[in-house]
Amino acid sequence: DIVMTQTPLSLAVIPGQPASISCKSSHSLLHSEGKTYLHWYLQKPGQPPQLLIYEVSNRFSGVPDRFSGGGSGTDFTLKISRVEADDVGIYYCMQSIKLPRTFGGGTKVEIK
Amino acid sequence: VQLIQSGAEMKKPGATVKISCQASGYTFTDHYIHWLQQAPGKGLEWVGLVDPKDGERVYADNFQGRVTIAADTSSDTAYLELRSLRSEDTAVYYCATASNFWSGYYNWGQGTLVTVSS
Repeated sequence: DIVMTQTPLSLAVIPGQPASISCKSSHSLLHSEGKTYLHWYLQKPGQPPQLLIYEVSNRFSGVPDRFSGGGSGTDFTLKISRVEADDVGIYYCMQSIKLPRTFGGGTKVEIK
Repeated sequence: VQLIQSGAEMKKPGATVKISCQASGYTFTDHYIHWLQQAPGKGLEWVGLVDPKDGERVYADNFQGRVTIAADTSSDTAYLELRSLRSEDTAVYYCATASNFWSGYYNWGQGTLVTVSS
């Protein structure tokens, strides 16, 4: 199975300040067709996860542009340019290049 | 697109639970449906998937032999059945849709809490 490792485990951020989350995979997520199958989700308290970023850097419909994703191969990053109160929750990365799908352990983002 | 899951379940150890996930707003046979498990306070674990177009199913090794995932195209509903329940199966189970085999999950059900307790 592909192991996904996220850091940090938690993050307390002052509103308006940036935040960054790292995700590393045990195998390259670059498919032979050229796409990289790494996605980011946010799970707000009491809700199912919601897709934020797909295929490394593509914002899903309705996701604010303060969210951005980057990286390649096995190393990826999610950045929030200016954290808002509505951004609190647990962020997960997930790979979909192979079965079983696997997730990072999650990064809890709180407001300081 | 909406995925509406059946309600919370309470089961005894050894019992079987069957959860449903009714899809609407898209052509049911166009997209895979995956099932995921989230134990209390824990992360997400993939349980398996079904391709409603042809019924093909793949299960995670951790659930192999105890799980059945199915899709009913007459009612646009996917099902997760988990047998021989144990306390460690206590979790919220989510269905989620993926537009193709490799895509991320663009839509999720609201989750179904399954509690296994004697």
